[in-house]
Amino acid sequence: AQSVAQPEDQVNVAEGNPLTVKCTYSVSGNPYLFWYVQYPNRGLQFLLKYITGDNLVKGSYGFEAEFNKSQTSFHLKKPSALVSDSALYFCAVRVSGFQKLVFGTGTRLLVSP
Amino acid sequence: DVKVTQSSRYLVKRTGEKVFLECVQDMDHENMFWYRQDPGLGLRLIYFSYDVKMKEKGDIPEGYSVSREKKERFSLILESASTNQTSMYLCASSETGTVMNTEAFFGQGTRLTVV
Repeated sequence: AQSVAQPEDQVNVAEGNPLTVKCTYSVSGNPYLFWYVQYPNRGLQFLLKYITGDNLVKGSYGFEAEFNKSQTSFHLKKPSALVSDSALYFCAVRVSGFQKLVFGTGTRLLVSP
Repeated sequence: DVKVTQSSRYLVKRTGEKVFLECVQDMDHENMFWYRQDPGLGLRLIYFSYDVKMKEKGDIPEGYSVSREKKERFSLILESASTNQTSMYLCASSETGTVMNTEAFFGQGTRLTVV
């Protein structure tokens, strides 16, 4: 079965420090991977996606993600965290042959001033 | 600007009521989805539709049904609401065909409480 795992329920980081939110995946065939962010009482907003090509993908709000095929990972990164980055982050994979997305359980990012 | 609109932000319903959650998208997308979001469980797919009048069960369809009479509208129906259906419900849409790399666009969510 195709799935994604987010091993950390919460990540704490100080403002200005780099942040990493982890995601690993399990798929058959080529992976199509996505990151979404959710602010309180809101829907999900698309951040970035990996389809093919460069392993480092750049997205919205200064976020980037590194695709690592050997480690089956797609970690979300940002060089310098902002307090306003505090939110819930979801990793997702598109299921081969279908249009639906399978989501991880989410990681809450808390950036302290 | 792309838009997925859910008819209600907050709903409170009584056990046993029939509940309708409505979702409209203006992007002419073929695919539409209903997810529920619960703490610690992430997003779980209830139903999705890849065309008008077409639907597929997701991972947790029990207790739910859907309707897609028009391309832009996808309704989730709770036939007889129960307290374990208290949750955040998210609608999404995406392009279709062989395009595997398109992202889904989400509505703002409906927080349903069943009392």
